[in-house]
Amino acid sequence: DAKTTQPNSMESNEEEPVHLPCNHSTISGTDYIHWYRQLPSQGPEYVIHGLTSNVNNRMASLAIAEDRKSSTLILHRATLRDAAVYYCILRDGVGTSYDKVIFGPGTSLSVIP
Amino acid sequence: DSGVTQTPKHLITATGQRVTLRCSPRSGDLSVYWYQQSLDQGLQFLIQYYNGEERAKGNILERFSAQQFPDLHSELNLSSLELGDSALYFCASSVALGGSGRSGYTFGSGTRLTVV
Repeated sequence: DAKTTQPNSMESNEEEPVHLPCNHSTISGTDYIHWYRQLPSQGPEYVIHGLTSNVNNRMASLAIAEDRKSSTLILHRATLRDAAVYYCILRDGVGTSYDKVIFGPGTSLSVIP
Repeated sequence: DSGVTQTPKHLITATGQRVTLRCSPRSGDLSVYWYQQSLDQGLQFLIQYYNGEERAKGNILERFSAQQFPDLHSELNLSSLELGDSALYFCASSVALGGSGRSGYTFGSGTRLTVV
């Protein structure tokens, strides 16, 4: 199973941009990069995903390195509600419906008022 | 409301007992996943079902079992419960049709199990 590595924790000031890195050096050509976040005592929430090109949605942007061995989740203006654990995972995009995904410990983001 | 419904939200039971956790996936999703999250721990993958069939297994104990029914809801059965089984149990669903990575997971709000 392809794995990802992320920093254990990061801090950001409120209303500043946040760049959350993720390394996935063993990524395969068909793996999609997904990001989820988990607020305390809640279930994880989908944030964004991509394959090769950078992606934007209302929550965040995903920047994918050209060799796809790393990616960065960008929160454009951190708010106190963005304080959460952020998980970067890989999911196979080829259809077999086999989907054993390993979540690492993620990055705990603290937002300072 | 994420569209994935888990019941009950809280469950307190004694050691040695058996409980059943229920999950209704988001409409249209065929895959159901179960995860365990102990206090201050990450998400541990337990098992995946796709359209009624078991497809992937993680670190699921032999005392635990699951199934997915024809209406696509799933149940996770935990038996001979131990104190260490106390955790949050999350269910997630995904479309998982011909390329599971192309769509995201939708997680439920979880069942908090406390074994006393």
